[in-house]
Amino acid sequence: NAGVTQTPKFQVLKTGQSMTLQCAQDMNHNSMYWYRQDPGMGLRLIYYSASEGTTDKGEVPNGYNVSRLNKREFSLRLESAAPSQTSVYFCASITPPGRSSTEAFFGQGTRLTVV
Amino acid sequence: GENVEQHPSTLSVQEGDSAVIKCTYSDSASNYFPWYKQELGKGPQLIIDIRSNVGEKKDQRIAVTLNKTAKHFSLHITETQPEDSAVYFCAASRTTSGTYKYIFGTGTRLKVLA
Repeated sequence: NAGVTQTPKFQVLKTGQSMTLQCAQDMNHNSMYWYRQDPGMGLRLIYYSASEGTTDKGEVPNGYNVSRLNKREFSLRLESAAPSQTSVYFCASITPPGRSSTEAFFGQGTRLTVV
Repeated sequence: GENVEQHPSTLSVQEGDSAVIKCTYSDSASNYFPWYKQELGKGPQLIIDIRSNVGEKKDQRIAVTLNKTAKHFSLHITETQPEDSAVYFCAASRTTSGTYKYIFGTGTRLKVLA
């Protein structure tokens, strides 16, 4: 999807391994989000960032950490992967409230399998 | 806690018929309600949205209605076409910490039968 780039697209980890999912947007948005998508459960918010240097927990933050070092990039880290973290992960970049129109862009997703 | 319920989970319609997807939210502070379409292997894409000061919004074959009192909002697709087949998600959101916090429904898989 235009404007939001996620890497990698696919990843298989062994239980206990660590990895970082990368996300970058080129639309100069302040707000960025990480979601996980599981069958029958929709999109659940892991963490979000309203601006550079700030992060907040979402619905399901346990087992994850995030980093927003600059306006463009928002990374998600799994320190010790567990099978319960097998999911499809989406990064999103969304315009803030108050605008006349709202743009919401999602990345293509990262399909993560933890064995 | 905050919750969004979405029904039905699957919906099959004949091409040309209408499709309606309904959502209910729990957070009375929610003030922005977007709808997303997700095609296989892709990320969700915003198709229409509505703010809490508006009761209805229409964009060609797609319309969204909002009943704030009942905390209900619905997506209406008229004259459905095969390319409308996808998973649709509703979301309710409110401003917090200078941004929106979105809570998504569980999705509706729409199949348009030719």
